[in-house]
Amino acid sequence: KNEVEQSPQNLTAQEGEFITINCSYSVGISALHWLQQHPGGGIVSLFMLSSGKKKHGRLIATINIQEKHSSLHITASHPRDSAVYICAVRRVDSNYQLIWGAGTKLIIKP
Amino acid sequence: DTGVSQDPRHKITKRGQNVTFRCDPISEHNRLYWYRQTLGQGPEFLTYFQNEAQLEKSRLLSDRFSAERPKGSFSTLEIQRTEQGDSAMYLCASSPRRSQGEETQYFGPGTRLLVL
Repeated sequence: KNEVEQSPQNLTAQEGEFITINCSYSVGISALHWLQQHPGGGIVSLFMLSSGKKKHGRLIATINIQEKHSSLHITASHPRDSAVYICAVRRVDSNYQLIWGAGTKLIIKP
Repeated sequence: DTGVSQDPRHKITKRGQNVTFRCDPISEHNRLYWYRQTLGQGPEFLTYFQNEAQLEKSRLLSDRFSAERPKGSFSTLEIQRTEQGDSAMYLCASSPRRSQGEETQYFGPGTRLLVL
């Protein structure tokens, strides 16, 4: 079993829909990252969470430490949101390593 | 300085050849990471530098792989005697010094390696 699991693996939605991507992890963590990867490989860090909830524009990230679960939400989705969204966690026993999920490929159709 | 840069962006090589990739981090960042990503998978951690010191190295990194950061600025990743299984995107990231749990990594565009 992978230490970080994301669902769904693929998601196709219509423009304007509310999107939720889930991340579950099985190790103790000090922080969780949500990142966005565009075709061609560029990776952009969206959020880093250690508790609670963060919001940036149309993106919202939440984390429940007790349940070892995080969600990334996109409101009023737009075709430019199409990308792979990756969850990565920093183990509590490591200062350096991020353990990555396999990513969720999101396609927003106009 | 607009971000992390990597060179080359693409590399095609024959099996058995050596390749070297370069990463230039954001100038004030003292931490530098190398990752490898294969198609359909999330990035895998390879190694980490704090300044010029290589502090952690993944078991994924065989003896054919070596990384350096001689002056604590740019870093190189060398793969000797490449194999077809080395074909992947090699990603570099850097981060500034922060307290634990407060660190954001900034990624370069990656070097895509194809071993024929």
